[in-house]
Amino acid sequence: EVQLVESGGGLVKPGGSLRLSCVASGFTFSGYNMIWVRQAPGKGLEWVSSISSNSGYTYKADSVRGRFTISRDNTKNSLYLQMNSLRAEDTAVYYCARVRKYSGHEPGDFDYWGQGTLVTVSS
Amino acid sequence: QSALSQPASVSGSPGQSITISCTGTSSDVGGYNYVSWYQQHPGKAPKLMIFDVSYRPSGVSNRFSGSKSGNTASLTISGLQGEDEADYYCSSYTSSSALKVFGTGTKVTVL
Repeated sequence: EVQLVESGGGLVKPGGSLRLSCVASGFTFSGYNMIWVRQAPGKGLEWVSSISSNSGYTYKADSVRGRFTISRDNTKNSLYLQMNSLRAEDTAVYYCARVRKYSGHEPGDFDYWGQGTLVTVSS
Repeated sequence: QSALSQPASVSGSPGQSITISCTGTSSDVGGYNYVSWYQQHPGKAPKLMIFDVSYRPSGVSNRFSGSKSGNTASLTISGLQGEDEADYYCSSYTSSSALKVFGTGTKVTVL
């Protein structure tokens, strides 16, 4: 069974930093691109950043470019999101998701999702 | 990059069919066959229901079907059931630097 478990969310002040983690199980993690998607309270979905299976390339949404960094450790089946210079508008549930193989486009479609971790940016 | 436009809500009785529209532009929905649909129950993670306009992932009920005409994609749920009550989001690849855009979301209510 595919499982994705996020952690690391919490309350942080504007301008602060936070690192999210996602541990994967039930599939060959190193064989899949991965992505972070967020959802502000009561709002829709927004993809944040994606990374290829071997970390060869990454993509970022314009809203987080220069502030967020995605990375992964295939030896630990783990995905990370380093978030710096956090703003109130970054407040959201952050989901880790697996990118469907052979999506044919970037960042692809997302076929398995974790339950999410809440990040609140407030003074 | 603007979000794709979806109706805020759609409702139907059990057993009926409903259709949710997703309107974009020639730079996204109309230009590529990379439209997908996600279902999200309250407090839960989204679930992929349709990809590449009309393909269902393994395990998704064949009551869900997708189509596209011009700049508008559609998700049809036939034989509506109580468990279908959820929010639905479309998404599409876009040729803009945003790469992927989501819809505004539609709340489906089963009467």
